[in-house]
Amino acid sequence: GEDVEQSLFLSVREGDSSVINCTYTDSSSTYLYWYKQEPGAGLQLLTYIFSNMDMKQDQRLTVLLNKKDKHLSLRIADTQTGDSAIYFCAATGGGNKLTFGTGTQLKVEL
Amino acid sequence: DTAVSQTPKYLVTQMGNDKSIKCEQNLGHDTMYWYKQDSKKFLKIMFSYNNKELIINETVPNRFSPKSPDKAHLNLHINSLELGDSAVYFCASSPPGIGNTIYFGEGSWLTVV
Repeated sequence: GEDVEQSLFLSVREGDSSVINCTYTDSSSTYLYWYKQEPGAGLQLLTYIFSNMDMKQDQRLTVLLNKKDKHLSLRIADTQTGDSAIYFCAATGGGNKLTFGTGTQLKVEL
Repeated sequence: DTAVSQTPKYLVTQMGNDKSIKCEQNLGHDTMYWYKQDSKKFLKIMFSYNNKELIINETVPNRFSPKSPDKAHLNLHINSLELGDSAVYFCASSPPGIGNTIYFGEGSWLTVV
């Protein structure tokens, strides 16, 4: 089955850019997602990219997809303290089953 | 107004008890899911239902029994609760078709003592 991996922690200073990386194993994954989870809260869909795209930009968020290397990244420009959260990468497999990565805890320091 | 709503949000119960978590979506979606998030924040799918029919069951103990009375509801019943069942349970829904965005509920925090 699909395996999705992320680094566990990332610390950045306010105003810097954050880049969260993700790798997946199933090359047939058609959609790849980024979700955000704030402490004690549910999952908020941030953005997604279809597998035939290599980049998608949405305000401060830029998603890059390298399908050959099965690598996905999320760049957050001008990171703010409100961006501190856990970010989950997820890939769509058979039956529209989402497989989540381990989550990356983003800490934004002043 | 909430698209996917779950109740209760918090549940503390003793080992051996039976409990249910309810989920309702008002988005008109055909497919609903239950995901489990453990203490290390790992998220894994448990079940998926499409139009009240089970389509995904990910090696979940049979103490967990999902029930879908109609396509807007997917309830999760857990028998003989164990300490290891303590987790956050997320309900979700999506329109039909591969790749359609999955919308999550706010989660239900279950603590078994």
